[in-house]
Amino acid sequence: GENVEQHPSTLSVQEGDSAVIKCTYSDSASNYFPWYKQELGKRPQLIIDIRSNVGEKKDQRIAVTLNKTAKHFSLHITETQPEDSAVYFCAAGDDYKLSFGAGTTVTVRA
Amino acid sequence: EAQVTQNPRYLITVTGKKLTVTCSQNMNHEYMSWYRQDPGLGLRQIYYSMNVEVTDKGDVPEGYKVSRKEKRNFPLILESPSPNQTSLYFCASSSTGVANEKLFFGSGTQLSVL
Repeated sequence: GENVEQHPSTLSVQEGDSAVIKCTYSDSASNYFPWYKQELGKRPQLIIDIRSNVGEKKDQRIAVTLNKTAKHFSLHITETQPEDSAVYFCAAGDDYKLSFGAGTTVTVRA
Repeated sequence: EAQVTQNPRYLITVTGKKLTVTCSQNMNHEYMSWYRQDPGLGLRQIYYSMNVEVTDKGDVPEGYKVSRKEKRNFPLILESPSPNQTSLYFCASSSTGVANEKLFFGSGTQLSVL
């Protein structure tokens, strides 16, 4: 099955700085790569996603890049704000199956 | 309001006592799925269903059963719970699958098996 590794497990950034989270996956058949944000005690929420035929996607302060050859994808958050503090999960899969990384706890310091 | 409803929110039980966690969605979604979340392991897919009467295993199906007799409901059954099934469980749904579609998650069920 698919194996998704996510780094780092914790990330502390100064407000206004950028945050980068990296993930690798093992199954070359995976074609969908979403990122979810989970605030403490809440359910996961989709923040951005990308398909395998696209190399980069941006939505305001959030961007995701995908390198299909190397089987890795990354989340970039620019101009971080206190409300960006949360656990972020990457995932990889196909139309029905989704495998998640272990998560990155992001703390934005004021 | 569009939502995925899980019950119960919290459950404490003992080893071997059968239990069911219910999941219901009101969005006419074809796809539903169950995940468990454990510290340091992220979310792991247990089972999913593409439509009524169509289910398949995720990454960690051992010890769980599911059924999809109606489109709106997708219960998770633990016939003989064990302590290693203590976890936070999420049900999720989407229109037709996970690719290119937002997964709607329920509020979660915190299960403790003693």
